[in-house]
Amino acid sequence: DIQMTQSPSSLSASVGDRVTITCRASQTISRHLNWLQQKPGKAPNLLIYATSSLQSGVPSRFSGSGSETDFNFTISGLQPDDFATYYCQQSYKTPRTFGQGTRVEIK
Amino acid sequence: QVQLVQSGTEVKKPGASVKVSCKTSGYTFSRYGISWVRQAPGHGLEWMGWISPYNGNRDYAQRFQGRVTMTTDTSTNTAYMEVKSLTFDDTAIYYCVRDALGGTVTFDFWGQGTLVSVSS
Repeated sequence: DIQMTQSPSSLSASVGDRVTITCRASQTISRHLNWLQQKPGKAPNLLIYATSSLQSGVPSRFSGSGSETDFNFTISGLQPDDFATYYCQQSYKTPRTFGQGTRVEIK
Repeated sequence: QVQLVQSGTEVKKPGASVKVSCKTSGYTFSRYGISWVRQAPGHGLEWMGWISPYNGNRDYAQRFQGRVTMTTDTSTNTAYMEVKSLTFDDTAIYYCVRDALGGTVTFDFWGQGTLVSVSS
């Protein structure tokens, strides 16, 4: 199985900050990497697919980059609505696997 | 618009089975697979398996082999997942999610989740 290692596990930031989360795959996944946002009591929501493509309706302050095994997710200008948990997920092969999650909290 | 609507909360005793449904609308059901993902309280996301409504092909996570059965009903555009021999560790929210295996966009639409609580 492909292991996805996400860091940090949590972070505190202020509104307006730039936030970056990293995700490393245990083997190459090309660019088959999704980023999901989950708010308490809600289902996850796809923000970015194929490493850097913004899902329809997602604000442009969210972005992704990377390839093969190393990936980054950035929020440029954190907004109050962005405080949530973020997961990376590989869609290269089954079993689909997820990172452990990064909880973004208000400083 | 694409929607996946799941069945309601289930409370089961250890050793019982549970069957969760996921009714889809707003797209051609047979053209996309369905993955099932669960989330135990306070934990992350765990993929359980995938099914193709087109041909019934299935791919289960190894740890659920023999205990989970995924099916689809193309006449009602509904996917189902049954989990047998429930234990306390199966207490979780179960999600269905559209997953075009091999496609560019995956995990783009999720059900609202079904809470399965295993309690004696």
